[in-house]
Amino acid sequence: DAGVIQSPRHEVTEMGQEVTLRCKPISGHDYLFWYRQTMMRGLELLIYFNNNVPIDDSGMPEDRFSAKMPNASFSNLKIQPSEPRDSAVYFCASSGGSSYNEQFFGPGTRLTVL
Amino acid sequence: KQEVTQIPAALSVPEGENLVLNCSFTDSAIYNLQWFRQDPGKGLTSLLLIQSSQREQTSGRLNASLDKSSGRSTLYIAASQPGDSATYLCAVEGNGQNFVFGPGTRLSVLP
Repeated sequence: DAGVIQSPRHEVTEMGQEVTLRCKPISGHDYLFWYRQTMMRGLELLIYFNNNVPIDDSGMPEDRFSAKMPNASFSNLKIQPSEPRDSAVYFCASSGGSSYNEQFFGPGTRLTVL
Repeated sequence: KQEVTQIPAALSVPEGENLVLNCSFTDSAIYNLQWFRQDPGKGLTSLLLIQSSQREQTSGRLNASLDKSSGRSTLYIAASQPGDSATYLCAVEGNGQNFVFGPGTRLSVLP
């Protein structure tokens, strides 16, 4: 398997624009997680899905953030409108299958909002 | 609310030394504890996962132990190498796949 795939790897946008981050989990994994990493706050769990259903979105900072998982092989995280304080690295991770509970991370998307 | 701390925040050692990284958590009701490695500008790589019923796990030169009752885990790295230089993070899984990460220990192994 190619591992967790994220796109884009880098995104630079202007304040107020909509940003969409994408993730393809490892095939056969039934959990998908979105994290945000900053120097100040470290790694924070934003939301996670089980079998495509959002289970806990208490980490989503504001209504400007939304995430969906329309099928088992794709999820996206949207920020609308974006703000400079949203600048961070966003990671997607998945778990399940034979390696139940062990999380595997994607390479991350580095977002810069000007 | 679960809180995870890691000591030390940074560590610099000469090549060949054995070293220990520490992870502490406030709520002992955990399902699993996982150790990760993160290289600069990269994602996280899973190193070891210890289930709550286990006391330790080993992989090559790495050994991780877990003491749930005291809220502690240690990651032991034997015969450190420059390639081990990275940030090491621990994460605890609570109820319902709720993972909480520590801030990490930045390790530098000098040749």
